[in-house]
Amino acid sequence: DGGITQSPKYLFRKEGQNVTLSCEQNLNHDAMYWYRQDPGQGLRLIYYSQIVNDFQKGDIAEGYSVSREKKESFPLTVTSAQKNPTAFYLCATNLGGWTNVLTFGAGSRLTVL
Amino acid sequence: QQQVKQSPQSLIVQKGGISIINCAYENTAFDYFPWYQQFPGKGPALLIAIRPDVSEKKEGRFTISFNKSAKQFSLHIMDSQPGDSATYFCAALGGSNYKLTFGKGTLLTVNP
Repeated sequence: DGGITQSPKYLFRKEGQNVTLSCEQNLNHDAMYWYRQDPGQGLRLIYYSQIVNDFQKGDIAEGYSVSREKKESFPLTVTSAQKNPTAFYLCATNLGGWTNVLTFGAGSRLTVL
Repeated sequence: QQQVKQSPQSLIVQKGGISIINCAYENTAFDYFPWYQQFPGKGPALLIAIRPDVSEKKEGRFTISFNKSAKQFSLHIMDSQPGDSATYFCAALGGSNYKLTFGKGTLLTVNP
């Protein structure tokens, strides 16, 4: 959606396995974000990056890792340390600065079997 | 610690009616209040936003009312349509970490 491609759309994982969710953008936005959405829980910030090669932890970073080697890409790895990884994961971008409009991708749904 | 409380959790409105979703916050350092709309299987999209120096902002059928003294803000959808059926999130920006904090969302269903 809006120049943000998240893949895969659906992913199934066995317990104990790491999985990487892809987020690619062609909007030339500086900032990228990862949110987790659970039913009735709103959107919770996992990690964000305002510039290449730099990123900060959000409110629920434990059990997750990210990298920002390119402006266009911000992959999220859900590690085996994440105790409850089943959720809908959303990537977002903006020009930088929280008051700028966040553009969200269509999301990736991860299910741990 | 929930910094933005949103209600109701779900709402059913008849076509043509008014939908009202409320949010309350505690942190007086919040200085930007956006609303997002999310359709099933999609990411949220910014609907409308307000700053605390105004009490109301209107865009088409959507209005934000802001009460700074009560630390409350609400979304009003006039002449609600079935196409408005979606999940709505309020959010607030500010505070020591200066990040967006989202409410838990309201599932709106508009019956034809």
